[in-house]
Amino acid sequence: EPEVTQTPSHQVTQMGQEVILRCVPISNHLYFYWYRQILGQKVEFLVSFYNNEISEKSEIFDDQFSVERPDGSNFTLKIRSTKLEDSAMYFCASSITPGTASYNEQFFGPGTRLTVL
Amino acid sequence: GQNIDQPTEMTATEGAIVQINCTYQTSGFNGLFWYQQHAGEAPTFLSYNVLDGLEEKGRFSSFLSRSKGYSYLLLKELQMKDSASYLCAVRDINSWGKFQFGAGTQVVVTP
Repeated sequence: EPEVTQTPSHQVTQMGQEVILRCVPISNHLYFYWYRQILGQKVEFLVSFYNNEISEKSEIFDDQFSVERPDGSNFTLKIRSTKLEDSAMYFCASSITPGTASYNEQFFGPGTRLTVL
Repeated sequence: GQNIDQPTEMTATEGAIVQINCTYQTSGFNGLFWYQQHAGEAPTFLSYNVLDGLEEKGRFSSFLSRSKGYSYLLLKELQMKDSASYLCAVRDINSWGKFQFGAGTQVVVTP
């Protein structure tokens, strides 16, 4: 069964460093998302991406964050200068395309646990 | 914005039925979703409601009343593997992908 994959599974970084989290969405999916979940807290929407551009973003997704689809398979989230409060599990998700009945189902990757020291 | 409320924890015995309620106050609405999340794992899609009524999918059913800002997830014939957090999420109006999640309801299934 196709699945969303994410690398690395765990990233440890120093405060102020840049990190890039990588995701490979399901191959025929066109709508991509990043979410984060701070330990013990709720899942928070960061950004959605469609047709090679950001579709929607939350207040959390400030200038320190950026997303990119550098090739036909990868979808990345970059944090330019990490802060302690960026420590969280980051989930990538994908769905087929707007306007189809299947669209409403999002498939989540296993997550990358980011620890900022 | 959205405000989503669901109970923190519920306990039920194997084979029983549990109903998890979710209430929301929104400035707009474009669908309510339920996800299952086991500890340390990613959320898994369970159901989607955009019109009033009941959607049934095997042992899981989800109900929506838009006028009341209310939904529930019904889990029947509980199994030990159903022990997990159940997340209620509302999608913003005019949005395809912007969701607001509730804090989740931890369901504990006992033998």
